[in-house]
Order: sequence, then structure tokens, then C-alpha cells
Amino acid sequence: DAKTTQPTSMDCAEGRAANLPCNHSTISGNEYVYWYRQIHSQGPQYIIHGLKNNETNEMASLIITEDRKSSTLILPHATLRDTAVYYCIVRDNTGTASKLTFGTGTRLQVTL
Amino acid sequence: NAGVTQTPKFQVLKTGQSMTLQCAQDMNHNSMYWYRQDPGMGLRLIYYSASEGTTDKGEVPNGYNVSRLNKREFSLRLESAAPSQTSVYFCASRLVGSYGYTFGSGTRLTVV
Repeated sequence: DAKTTQPTSMDCAEGRAANLPCNHSTISGNEYVYWYRQIHSQGPQYIIHGLKNNETNEMASLIITEDRKSSTLILPHATLRDTAVYYCIVRDNTGTASKLTFGTGTRLQVTL
Repeated sequence: NAGVTQTPKFQVLKTGQSMTLQCAQDMNHNSMYWYRQDPGMGLRLIYYSASEGTTDKGEVPNGYNVSRLNKREFSLRLESAAPSQTSVYFCASRLVGSYGYTFGSGTRLTVV
């Protein structure tokens, strides 16, 4: 699976959009971009994933560049409960042995 | 619907003791995983089971053994605990062909 690069930490004011970048310049054509988050010391929580097109769900939006070498996770109206470590992961979905490889992620601090 | 259940939630062991961490999922998922997370770091894969009856090593398997008891249960055993195995252990499961992994709430293990 391709390696990802994320900033170590970011701050965001409550109510504003949080934009979390991720570089994955070695991504291959069949690899998806996944985002998970880990609040405090809980188990990671799935947020969103995408292959080529931009995606949106009830939690967030995912913007993937046309060359697929980078992406941005957008939390449109961040709240204090969004304070967490956010992990960007690229993964090939094929095969039963597919597994997630976590980096150190971005620690997002949402403040009043 | 409980999702992924891990027991125990907390454990303190003396060096050299053995113990088994239990994980059970009730979502009829095929694949199950064991990760460890050390302070300030991302999750690292210890072992995984792509399907019932199979297990494979992950990134950091030394000092651990696993058993896929049935489709629901995947246990992790420490035969002779060492202080370096002090960590938070997460179990996860996935339905083959689906995109999201479901994580348990973790077992916090301290080896003294």
C-alpha cells in the first residue's frame, strides 16, 4: 500500500470548516483513499473513502485531486467533538487479505 | 448489535505471565485483525485473519500468537509478557467486499 504524508497537527475554530490535507504521491490506480479518526483513546472510526471522484457523506467531504496524488478531508462545521487524530490511508480493496496501515495522522484541535 | 467486543478492558501483568485477549464480533464479518498502539503512535498490525480458518502475520507479530476460534471470535495470546508489550490493543473486523473496518474499544495492557 502507498505511503501517506500528513501534517502533525492543526487547529480549527469551532463552527469553521476544517481542511485536513494528505499527500499520497505514490498511489496506484486501484488504491482507494480512506479517512479514519480516533477520538481520545477510542478505537478508530471510519469517516469516508474515495477512488477518483469527490465524495460526501453525513460526516465529511473528501476532495481528491485529478492526478490522485493528494486529497483533503473537509469537516464543514467543526465542533469540539471533532477533536481527534485523523488518519489518511491508501489501500487496495482487492483480495481478502487487504489490511489497513496506519501512520501517525494529524491531531486536530477544535477550539472555542 | 454490539459490534466488536474486546475483553478485558484493562489488565496489568507481571513480566513472564501469560494471558489471552478476547475479541468477538456479531456482524458476520469475514476478516478480523489485531493492532497495537503505543503512546503517540499510529496503530500497528500484529496478526490478521482474512477468513475463518486462516491467520497471517502482520507488521509486529513477535511475542504473540492468535487463534481464529470461529467466524465470530479472534483471540490474541501473550505467552510470556514483556514490558515492551505494554500498549493498547485494538481488535477490528471487516466484511470482505465492504469498505469500512469496525474497531473495538481496546484493551489497555500494562506489563510490569
